[in-house]
Amino acid sequence: EAQVTQNPRYLITVTGKKLTVTCSQNMNHEYMSWYRQDPGLGLRQIYYSMNVEVTDKGDVPEGYKVSRKEKRNFPLILESPSPNQTSLYFCASSSGTGAGDGYTFGSGTRLTVV
Amino acid sequence: GEDVEQSLFLSVREGDSSVINCTYTDSSSTYLYWYKQEPGAGLQLLTYIFSNMDMKQDQRLTVLLNKKDKHLSLRIADTQTGDSAIYFCAERLGYSTLTFGKGTMLLVSP
Repeated sequence: EAQVTQNPRYLITVTGKKLTVTCSQNMNHEYMSWYRQDPGLGLRQIYYSMNVEVTDKGDVPEGYKVSRKEKRNFPLILESPSPNQTSLYFCASSSGTGAGDGYTFGSGTRLTVV
Repeated sequence: GEDVEQSLFLSVREGDSSVINCTYTDSSSTYLYWYKQEPGAGLQLLTYIFSNMDMKQDQRLTVLLNKKDKHLSLRIADTQTGDSAIYFCAERLGYSTLTFGKGTMLLVSP
């Protein structure tokens, strides 16, 4: 089944403790992206990647890092999480070509930083 | 920068039609999308329209695009309680970046 898999689904952590949220897609998509969703703010793009070793900042990159060493994986790294990073995070992928190519989204990771 | 705006809330009765509206600012958008998010779930692509089209119909869904006014709408015919969700409008710019609106919560009452 074509899908984007994020782990974990839920995470509670303490301020300053490094964490990684994993994202993997099995559709051979070139384009991957991370969003955070907050009440009243909708989805805001954190980082995106157009291919292996090619990443760029989205609208809200501060406090986050990403890497794209392989096509299928695009982990989101919080080196020193803070409470304002408490949010619902979505990973998405796209082939980036063809008519109407939207994103396929993962199920989300709900992160709480205390 | 780019901005996509939607009304925040819509309430309808089961069996009625729902119309969710969206405005966007970037005239270079190539595609416009509608996504649905059910509680506790990710976003599911419902439908899309190419920017040179005026209308697209897909079963109960009708998308209307007024490019001059940069206005997009999603009409859901015969709305059911299972259609209750948050609906996001998004525009595609450039290679693959999607910019989303804040979402419209649709509540369908029996």
